[in-house]
Amino acid sequence: GDSVTQMEGPVTLSEEAFLTINCTYTATGYPSLFWYVQYPGEGLQLLLKATKADDKGSNKGFEATYRKETTSFHLEKGSVQVSDSAVYFCALGGTSYGKLTFGQGTILTVHP
Amino acid sequence: GAGVSQSPSNKVTEKGKDVELRCDPISGHTALYWYRQSLGQGLEFLIYFQGNSAPDKSGLPSDRFSAERTGGSVSTLTIQRTQQEDSAVYLCASSVTGGAGKGTEAFFGQGTRLTVV
Repeated sequence: GDSVTQMEGPVTLSEEAFLTINCTYTATGYPSLFWYVQYPGEGLQLLLKATKADDKGSNKGFEATYRKETTSFHLEKGSVQVSDSAVYFCALGGTSYGKLTFGQGTILTVHP
Repeated sequence: GAGVSQSPSNKVTEKGKDVELRCDPISGHTALYWYRQSLGQGLEFLIYFQGNSAPDKSGLPSDRFSAERTGGSVSTLTIQRTQQEDSAVYLCASSVTGGAGKGTEAFFGQGTRLTVV
């Protein structure tokens, strides 16, 4: 079945540091890939997505490229801010219209 | 409000009791989803409603779990004879059309934290 593996956290960085959160997946066919973010005290929200191979999703300075050959969708940001502190979830949408399969989540803490 | 609303925000119940969790989706959203977030287990899909179509119940963990959506809007997730392993945060989400798995953005509520003692 479909599965998503995320790099284990927590991740602690200083402000302006470079961020990478690794995500790999297992799925049949051609899934859509997503990063969702959960800020403290808020519900999950979509950060970015890519629906086919080689697509790059980007939002708020974050980027991720859909790599079919390595079955990966790593999240990157060149310079993190304190306000980026949150839990980040990698997810995939497979053959089911309604179902997202999520990774375990990675807690990111950014210090000033 | 403008977002997905869930109630109650916290629920403590005794083992063996039934509980009902409520979700008010964003007005006009035709698709509604329930997920469960357990400690150490991540987010787990439970059920998906899209318009008047039969719901996708493939994620419900046992027949103690059921959900309905009345009038295409409000949804209730019911857990009968609760067990301690049911303790989790139950999240509801909605989207304009069906297909969070196909790229449609899903908007999540803040969840109901259920504790079974």
